[in-house]
Amino acid sequence: DTAVSQTPKYLVTQMGNDKSIKCEQNLGHDTMYWYKQDSKKFLKIMFSYNNKELIINETVPNRFSPKSPDKAHLNLHINSLELGDSAVYFCASSQGAGGGSPLHFGNGTRLTVT
Amino acid sequence: QQQVKQSPQSLIVQKGGISIINCAYENTAFDYFPWYQQFPGKGPALLIAIRPDVSEKKEGRFTISFNKSAKQFSLHIMDSQPGDSATYFCAARVGGSARQLTFGSGTQLTVLP
Repeated sequence: DTAVSQTPKYLVTQMGNDKSIKCEQNLGHDTMYWYKQDSKKFLKIMFSYNNKELIINETVPNRFSPKSPDKAHLNLHINSLELGDSAVYFCASSQGAGGGSPLHFGNGTRLTVT
Repeated sequence: QQQVKQSPQSLIVQKGGISIINCAYENTAFDYFPWYQQFPGKGPALLIAIRPDVSEKKEGRFTISFNKSAKQFSLHIMDSQPGDSATYFCAARVGGSARQLTFGSGTQLTVLP
């Protein structure tokens, strides 16, 4: 049973296109995240939702828009894709208001923009 | 500005040896320090974590050593195995924050058979 699942696993597209990545968690967690991992493997948080409410919105171009239809789902839509958007995008979830609740990551979506 | 500095960037260890990865931080508001392990093609997974009220935490072959005064913490992998070959990330979180983890830059560990 996959706890945090992302689709698609690979996404190859051309500059200027719009694409979406979907994420679902079956852990019953109340908080979900999007992280970006660049080619040097550096992990950086992009967004966080708690109970469908946006609580973290890091300095990310407004071409990136997260959407949380319910607590178990957090999707990422990217408009007007650019070469620099190529990276691996990870969805994650956690439970609890701070206090050391571990993050559970999906297996990532490798986005390649050509 | 990188708030958690991790070293080395890569590490090669012989099977049975000890792997040591170090992290340093500046923000004294950090109060939770986890380590994540990432295998190729997978997402990071929590390996072990520590809070600053203890100086050491051990789980099997994995130990975190924490030095609050020096603002440093490290991961020790005893009896390293080829299956431990992965990328390791240290991280830190500000207490009471909106659950935002700041990650180190990662260490690529290779354990030779």
